[in-house]
Amino acid sequence: EDKVVQSPLSLVVHEGDTVTLNCSYEVTNFRSLLWYKQEKKAPTFLFMLTSSGIEKKSGRLSSILDKKELFSILNITATQTGDSAIYLCAVVTYSWGKLQFGAGTQVVVTP
Amino acid sequence: EAGVAQSPRYKIIEKRQSVAFWCNPISGHATLYWYQQILGQGPKLLIQFQNNGVVDDSQLPKDRFSAERLKGVDSTLKIQPAKLEDSAVYLCASSFASTGPSTDTQYFGPGTRLTVL
Repeated sequence: EDKVVQSPLSLVVHEGDTVTLNCSYEVTNFRSLLWYKQEKKAPTFLFMLTSSGIEKKSGRLSSILDKKELFSILNITATQTGDSAIYLCAVVTYSWGKLQFGAGTQVVVTP
Repeated sequence: EAGVAQSPRYKIIEKRQSVAFWCNPISGHATLYWYQQILGQGPKLLIQFQNNGVVDDSQLPKDRFSAERLKGVDSTLKIQPAKLEDSAVYLCASSFASTGPSTDTQYFGPGTRLTVL
């Protein structure tokens, strides 16, 4: 059975801290891994990763994939209160592009 | 570019009643998904359409849930009769036809928060 596990489940940090979120997976026919940010509404797309070792960056957020060890990390540097959200990791397999989500990591950034 | 539209945004019903949700995907997106997200969990795929055909409904409780996508554009998801455990956010997402990694990104609508009393 396909599995996507995120850790930690939640964390609280102070503004300015750096946060590292983990996503490990066990799936058949891996195709890509996606990160989403979910505030009080719909998940919004952050990154899609398909190749190992190539960092994707957007402002203070970055992410990298390790297809040998089957995990990805999402880093947020110089956190701000607006970064408070649930961060979801999802893996796409070759069966019709189906997304399998992890449970998410809730990040709370305090002033 | 307009995003994925969903309605209603909130719905409160009593158990055993029926409810329907509507979704309009991003223009040009052939693939449409319905997800159920229970509080504290990641979204779970209920059904996936490619144009107006179903490609995956393995996790749809077919005794009470149904979905259709007429003409390959809008879609409706129905629950009849609702149970307490159906309380969740129902998310609709769309993407280009799923032909490879470059088309894997799914774009989500605002969701419908369903409360079953």
